[in-house]
Amino acid sequence: GDSVTQMEGPVTLSEEAFLTINCTYTATGYPSLFWYVQYPGEGLQLLLKATKADDKGSNKGFEATYRKETTSFHLEKGSVQVSDSAVYFCALTPSGGSYIPTFGRGTSLIVHP
Amino acid sequence: NAGVTQTPKFQVLKTGQSMTLQCAQDMNHEYMSWYRQDPGMGLRLIHYSVGAGITDQGEVPNGYNVSRSTTEDFPLRLLSAAPSQTSVYFCASSPQGVHYNSPLHFGNGTRLTVT
Repeated sequence: GDSVTQMEGPVTLSEEAFLTINCTYTATGYPSLFWYVQYPGEGLQLLLKATKADDKGSNKGFEATYRKETTSFHLEKGSVQVSDSAVYFCALTPSGGSYIPTFGRGTSLIVHP
Repeated sequence: NAGVTQTPKFQVLKTGQSMTLQCAQDMNHEYMSWYRQDPGMGLRLIHYSVGAGITDQGEVPNGYNVSRSTTEDFPLRLLSAAPSQTSVYFCASSPQGVHYNSPLHFGNGTRLTVT
């Protein structure tokens, strides 16, 4: 079946540091790929998405590129802020069949001033 | 638009009690689902529905029932609560079908404690 693997957390950074959160997936065909963010006490919300190979999703300074050849969708940000502290989830939706999403286990990001 | 609304936000139950977690969406989404979130376990799918009158089991359905009598509502019932059901529960919806690349829209969760 489909699966999503994220790097273990927590990731702890100082403000203005560079962020990478790794995400790799296993799926047949061409799934759509997503990053969601969960702030404390809230539900998940979409951060960015990409629906085909080589697409780059971007939002709020975050970027991720759909790499079919390495089955990856790594999340990056050039300069993190304290307000970026949250849990980040990588997810995919298969391109056929049931369309039920598969989520990674989430990566907690802590940014210190 | 309110999006996905979950009630209550917090609930404490005693073992063996029953209750219903409410979920409503006003976006006319076909697909609705329930997840539970536990530390170190990520999100686990409990039940889902692809339209009114249609429901199916997810990864961890035992101890939970659902129904989908309208497009808007998708309640989750705990018939006899157990401490293992202590968790944060999220309802999520999406257009489904035609828009398979559409994201899920999540509610803000219900934090349930079973003593």
